[in-house]
Amino acid sequence: DAGVTQSPTHLIKTRGQQVTLRCSPKSGHDTVSWYQQALGQGPQFIFQYYEEEERQRGNFPDRFSGHQFPNYSSELNVNALLLGDSALYLCASSPGQGSYGYTFGSGTRLTVV
Amino acid sequence: QKEVEQNSGPLSVPEGAIASLNCTYSDRVSQSFFWYRQYSGKSPELIMSIYSNGDKEDGRFTAQLNKASQYVSLLIRDSQPSDSATYLCAVIIQDSSYKLIFGSGTRLLVRP
Repeated sequence: DAGVTQSPTHLIKTRGQQVTLRCSPKSGHDTVSWYQQALGQGPQFIFQYYEEEERQRGNFPDRFSGHQFPNYSSELNVNALLLGDSALYLCASSPGQGSYGYTFGSGTRLTVV
Repeated sequence: QKEVEQNSGPLSVPEGAIASLNCTYSDRVSQSFFWYRQYSGKSPELIMSIYSNGDKEDGRFTAQLNKASQYVSLLIRDSQPSDSATYLCAVIIQDSSYKLIFGSGTRLLVRP
């Protein structure tokens, strides 16, 4: 039973570019949450997708957007990259919006130069 | 005030000792609390969850919840060098989404 799969594992982008990160949830999970974790910090909640809609959003600018597909997989898009966007991006899936059973992927390490 | 607060550490303990990690939370959060372990460069791994006041034990780990004082702690008995990691306290924010919110983490170093 595959867990949460994220791609790519590492990425280097130039300031001002756009990036798309991908997440496939654990089998049986339909809710996907995205987190940004800067070095030395805890994961910061970006947003959560359920039934193909953004349900909750953390304190992140509109440059951060997402999408959830009918198969529950999800994408995180970041436009106009800044140096401060360099971080580990984590995807977590759960079986239902009100569930406590979060499973995390291995993350995508984004470096903006 | 942050929703979840932790001392960043590092907390240094000798091998075999008890490591005590603490976390405080604000009124907004729900009554569901989690401890995650994160090795450097890796994703968080759930090690304990606790929902009721009191203690919950799982092997060398004990989670303690005190709702009146709004804190949750994690005790690690017989600490091993392999326990050296960052420990993240997380809570479920009980609004329409039940989103999981993390503290900044406490770095634990277990000295051989």
